[in-house]
Amino acid sequence: GESVGLHLPTLSVQEGDNSIINCAYSNSASDYFIWYKQESGKGPQFIIDIRSNMDKRQGQRVTVLLNKTVKHLSLQIAATQPGDSAVYFCAENRSGGSNYKLTFGKGTLLTVNP
Amino acid sequence: GAGVSQTPSNKVTEKGKYVELRCDPISGHTALYWYRQSLGQGPEFLIYFQGTGAADDSGLPNDRFFAVRPEGSVSTLKIQRTERGDSAVYLCASSLDGRYGYTFGSGTRLTVV
Repeated sequence: GESVGLHLPTLSVQEGDNSIINCAYSNSASDYFIWYKQESGKGPQFIIDIRSNMDKRQGQRVTVLLNKTVKHLSLQIAATQPGDSAVYFCAENRSGGSNYKLTFGKGTLLTVNP
Repeated sequence: GAGVSQTPSNKVTEKGKYVELRCDPISGHTALYWYRQSLGQGPEFLIYFQGTGAADDSGLPNDRFFAVRPEGSVSTLKIQRTERGDSAVYLCASSLDGRYGYTFGSGTRLTVV
């Protein structure tokens, strides 16, 4: 869902379930997308990335889907574990490839219940 | 070092004071970025260095903010005449050549009182 002010979208799942975190991006010129995981007191940690010439990419327990038609990204986490609890950010590269600065979304708080 | 190191991890300063935040990137990484993260928000780009030069400083909010990287390794973010609105976590990241998937440090939490 959409965030309002300082309130992050939240997702609460049971351990072992699959999680899906969604992200909408705004710039159709963006050509590179990354998902980051951020635990309390730490910097963002790279999870998986995808380029605009792909619509799906899989990693270990994670899959990123890209729908350029509706400018939508999703992160799927299989068999979610308590250690997956964190804030997840999607980020896009908007600068056309010459400068790799990223624009981050607001984040989604994932809570995994044991 | 094994990761991006930022010091101090926490800094409390009085309004109007000058602060310096340090970033020690991964050895050999030529690209270095500074981001700022306010509570409940995603990181926002401040400045990008390729080697010693600032290739893009378009994210610096005003002329109170300045960053240097004199030898192409360690970088210092400098904030003059700090204001309460500067309170945030300042994140540094580095990458091998400016390409994708850079590594972030744990950040410096700056509190201006």
